[in-house]
Amino acid sequence: AQSVTQLGSHVSVSEGALVLLRCNYSSSVPPYLFWYVQYPNQGLQLLLKYTSAATLVKGINGFEAEFKKSETSFHLTKPSAHMSDAAEYFCAVSGDNNNDMRFGAGTRLTVKP
Amino acid sequence: DSGVTQTPKHLITATGQRVTLRCSPRSGDLSVYWYQQSLDQGLQFLIQYYNGEERAKGNILERFSAQQFPDLHSELNLSSLELGDSALYFCASSSQPGLAAFEQYFGPGTRLTVT
Repeated sequence: AQSVTQLGSHVSVSEGALVLLRCNYSSSVPPYLFWYVQYPNQGLQLLLKYTSAATLVKGINGFEAEFKKSETSFHLTKPSAHMSDAAEYFCAVSGDNNNDMRFGAGTRLTVKP
Repeated sequence: DSGVTQTPKHLITATGQRVTLRCSPRSGDLSVYWYQQSLDQGLQFLIQYYNGEERAKGNILERFSAQQFPDLHSELNLSSLELGDSALYFCASSSQPGLAAFEQYFGPGTRLTVT
């Protein structure tokens, strides 16, 4: 069984500051891990995914995430926040059996001017 | 615009009723996925179809069913509706059969309100 926990339902940063959104996973099989972004009144958009290749994954819009097996974490970072980054972010995990996907509760990112 | 379309955009109905949500995948995509997003349960994967056949099943209730037609559009049927079924229902599509390894493109969603 797989699950993800997103630490912090709401994160607020200033424009230009570092963005760090935390995700810890639990999986009995090697996981596939994802970060999705949801803008208001829109569907989800894939930011990046980890599929057992490089542990540091670069995504769209300047985001990246690092897979750390020892810490069972897949935190999302961006060096410098932009106002347009304000959205809800979801971490998700799927297993090698490929028949289920579990999402975290989401983290709402607010960017202050 | 992801290329995935969903109709209707909003749906208001009463408890006990049955509704059908429709999804058209991106041109060329064979996989369709259904998700439910609610305040109580968060975002949950419901079911996946690939080229007309059920491929994967998540937290889908027995009152819910789905199918994918030969033209690849999909319908999600929700019956004996309860207040707790009020949610945003997303459809996503992908070119591949796997659930995990390939990018899914999400539609704008159908907001269902059960009164």
